[in-house]
Amino acid sequence: DVKVTQSSRYLVKRTGEKVFLECVQDMDHENMFWYRQDPGLGLRLIYFSYDVKMKEKGDIPEGYSVSREKKERFSLILESASTNQTSMYLCASSFGTGELFFGEGSRLTVL
Amino acid sequence: LAKTTQPISMDSYEGQEVNITCSHNNIATNDYITWYQQFPSQGPRFIIQGYKTKVTNEVASLFIPADRKSSTLSLPRVSLSDTAVYYCLVASYNTDKLIFGTGTRLQVFP
Repeated sequence: DVKVTQSSRYLVKRTGEKVFLECVQDMDHENMFWYRQDPGLGLRLIYFSYDVKMKEKGDIPEGYSVSREKKERFSLILESASTNQTSMYLCASSFGTGELFFGEGSRLTVL
Repeated sequence: LAKTTQPISMDSYEGQEVNITCSHNNIATNDYITWYQQFPSQGPRFIIQGYKTKVTNEVASLFIPADRKSSTLSLPRVSLSDTAVYYCLVASYNTDKLIFGTGTRLQVFP
């Protein structure tokens, strides 16, 4: 089975802290994605990557950056966390066929 | 990318067939239609994918009319465990920017 693993299921951080969310996939997928999910807003794309060291902005990249140094790992970085970044963060990967494989999610609370 | 529109919510009873329709008026020739299911506190899970006409697998059917401007996910004989949010996604193969709509929250009652 494809496995997408997110490093933390729950995190609590303070405003201004730097936050790293890690995602690892074991299926050699080229494409990886970071979404955030908020009640009533569905899934919103933050960043995606189609190759190592490549990244593209999604719909809501402000306040976030990403890193993809290895094919299997895609990291989401909040340089200075703010309360409006409290959310569920979902990582996904795919071969590019439209079938995404998601991790279990990381619920971030920023106080 | 094609924008999708789905009903916000639907209610059903156990044993009934549920049909959830997604509108995608601007679908492109190369776009496929994919449906996902999401339970609370979990990531979405792939259900079914199609390009045109009808696709069926062990959990659902997907109906796509000739103009492909909409699609319908059909869940036969739903159970309580089908209570979830259902998303349709329209994108081309190797399209990197995959945008989801707001989904349809299905509530199944006993």
